[in-house]
Amino acid sequence: GENVEQHPSTLSVQEGDSAVIKCTYSDSASNYFPWYKQELGKGPQLIIDIRSNVGEKKDQRIAVTLNKTAKHFSLHITETQPEDSAVYFCAALSNFGNEKLTFGTGTRLTIIP
Amino acid sequence: EAQVTQNPRYLITVTGKKLTVTCSQNMNHEYMSWYRQDPGLGLRQIYYSMNVEVTDKGDVPEGYKVSRKEKRNFPLILESPSPNQTSLYFCASSGATQETQYFGPGTRLLVL
Repeated sequence: GENVEQHPSTLSVQEGDSAVIKCTYSDSASNYFPWYKQELGKGPQLIIDIRSNVGEKKDQRIAVTLNKTAKHFSLHITETQPEDSAVYFCAALSNFGNEKLTFGTGTRLTIIP
Repeated sequence: EAQVTQNPRYLITVTGKKLTVTCSQNMNHEYMSWYRQDPGLGLRQIYYSMNVEVTDKGDVPEGYKVSRKEKRNFPLILESPSPNQTSLYFCASSGATQETQYFGPGTRLLVL
């Protein structure tokens, strides 16, 4: 089955600096890669996603890049703000046979004012 | 307002006492899932359902049951809870695929 590894597990950055979170996946059949943000006391919320036929996608201060050959994808947050502090999860969806969505172990991002 | 609701939000119980956590969505979604979240392990899928009367095991189904008698509801049943089921549980729903999942607010369960 799919295995998704996420690094780092914790990340602290100065407000205004950039943050990068990286994930690798094992199943070459995976073709959809979402990122979820979980604020304290809440459920995860989708913030951006990318499909396997696209190399990069941006939405204001966040961007995701995908390298299918190397089987890794990354979340980039620029000009970080205090409200970016949260736990971020990457995931990979495989459509081979039954759909299977596998999450990474999460990254706790702390923005230092 | 489109949402996924879970009840209860917090639950303390004892080993062996059957419990049910309810989940309901108002978005007419086909897919519904249950996850547990544990420190260092991320989100792990317990069970999922592609539609009414169709359920399948996720990665960690042992000790849990689900049912999908109506499209909007997907209860999680612990027939005989054990301390290793102490966790934070999330219900989620999505449309025709497991893309763009909407999560509920979570249920924190403590089994003594």
